[in-house]
Amino acid sequence: GAVVSQHPSRVICKSGTSVKIECRSLDFQATTMFWYRQFPKQSLMLMATSNEGSKATYEQGVEKDKFLINHASLTLSTLTVTSAHPEDSSFYICSARRQGSGGEQYFGPGTRLTVT
Amino acid sequence: KNQVEQSPQSLIILEGKNCTLQCNYTVSPFSNLRWYKQDTGRGPVSLTIMTFSENTKSNGRYTATLDADTKQSSLHITASQLSDSASYICVVSALTGGGNKLTFGTGTQLKVEL
Repeated sequence: GAVVSQHPSRVICKSGTSVKIECRSLDFQATTMFWYRQFPKQSLMLMATSNEGSKATYEQGVEKDKFLINHASLTLSTLTVTSAHPEDSSFYICSARRQGSGGEQYFGPGTRLTVT
Repeated sequence: KNQVEQSPQSLIILEGKNCTLQCNYTVSPFSNLRWYKQDTGRGPVSLTIMTFSENTKSNGRYTATLDADTKQSSLHITASQLSDSASYICVVSALTGGGNKLTFGTGTQLKVEL
């Protein structure tokens, strides 16, 4: 299989605090991981592409200083939402591209972030 | 600009009935097309994947078709079940220098009722 996990599945934080979300590929190595954001009744929007051992590539309009991404190993990428605000409340989904899979991405179960 | 449009936006059907979801795309250069099922509050799960040369692919009660000439795809669900209630997302992959880049449709929200 190709299982991707995310932790936590839900998090509620106060405005101004930082939140870290983990994305792990459990049974395969992923040189590339992707972070998406999904608002209600909308499709997934790519935020950034995370490559192991190098800096992440952010999509236009995504603040790299606000959404810190670290891809420290072939099985783990983290997204830290810094100084969170209510408008950051969303569903964050990661995906991992398996080495040699021809580009297939496997999605995690998502993390529901609520900023109060 | 690469785009993927899906219709209908939402659909309600009775359990046991069939339905067909549509996907039109303008993505270039085309690599492949995937249909995903996304349950509420969960990540997308792949149902089918088709490349340029494939016209149809089945996965149990799900059958996807692809017309690369008209750039249209459909997902047919037969003998629907309550558990089929979910969002179905069409995702088209473009082959770029940096690897496949995905363009997501906005999804069709399917509800199966008794």
